[in-house]
Amino acid sequence: DGGITQSPKYLFRKEGQNVTLSCEQNLNHDAMYWYRQDPGQGLRLIYYSQIVNDFQKGDIAEGYSVSREKKESFPLTVTSAQKNPTAFYLCASTSQEYSGNTIYFGEGSWLTVV
Amino acid sequence: LAKTTQPISMDSYEGQEVNITCSHNNIATNDYITWYQQFPSQGPRFIIQGYKTKVTNEVASLFIPADRKSSTLSLPRVSLSDTAVYYCLVGDGAGGFKTIFGAGTRLFVKA
Repeated sequence: DGGITQSPKYLFRKEGQNVTLSCEQNLNHDAMYWYRQDPGQGLRLIYYSQIVNDFQKGDIAEGYSVSREKKESFPLTVTSAQKNPTAFYLCASTSQEYSGNTIYFGEGSWLTVV
Repeated sequence: LAKTTQPISMDSYEGQEVNITCSHNNIATNDYITWYQQFPSQGPRFIIQGYKTKVTNEVASLFIPADRKSSTLSLPRVSLSDTAVYYCLVGDGAGGFKTIFGAGTRLFVKA
């Protein structure tokens, strides 16, 4: 089945550590996104990528980094510079071939600082 | 991108029809209106999309007036399992690169 796979579902990070969240899609979508969601809040855009080897900062990019070496993969690294990383992280993708597209989401990853 | 405004929360009872309205005064000519549903600890999932007038699928209807400055998601005969957050998005879809999600509307369905 086509879709977006995020891993791990739950991740714990110690202070000062970098952690990487995986996002893989087999929908052949060009654009991919990372969002952060705090409890009871909406989604905030961290980074997005329109094509391979290119990505742009979203509204809350500080403390995060991404790469887009392959069309199907868009990993997110939460660096030690992100002072409050505990949140629910969502990866998404969309086609750019025509108007009226919808955005598809993975099941999310919970990151907790311990 | 057009900004959207939705009620923060709504309550309903099982079996009732629920209407959630979204305001998008700055909608552009090429923009579509899309609604998503999100359950706790899950990614949002697509409910319905429209451009103008009325769209209906197996789970909801979407009403869009002629000026397209607002839209209403209608959920017929809600059940407890419809308790979720509902997001209204406005954009052209094609490479909606900086897709903006607001806080959404929290719908509570009571028995």
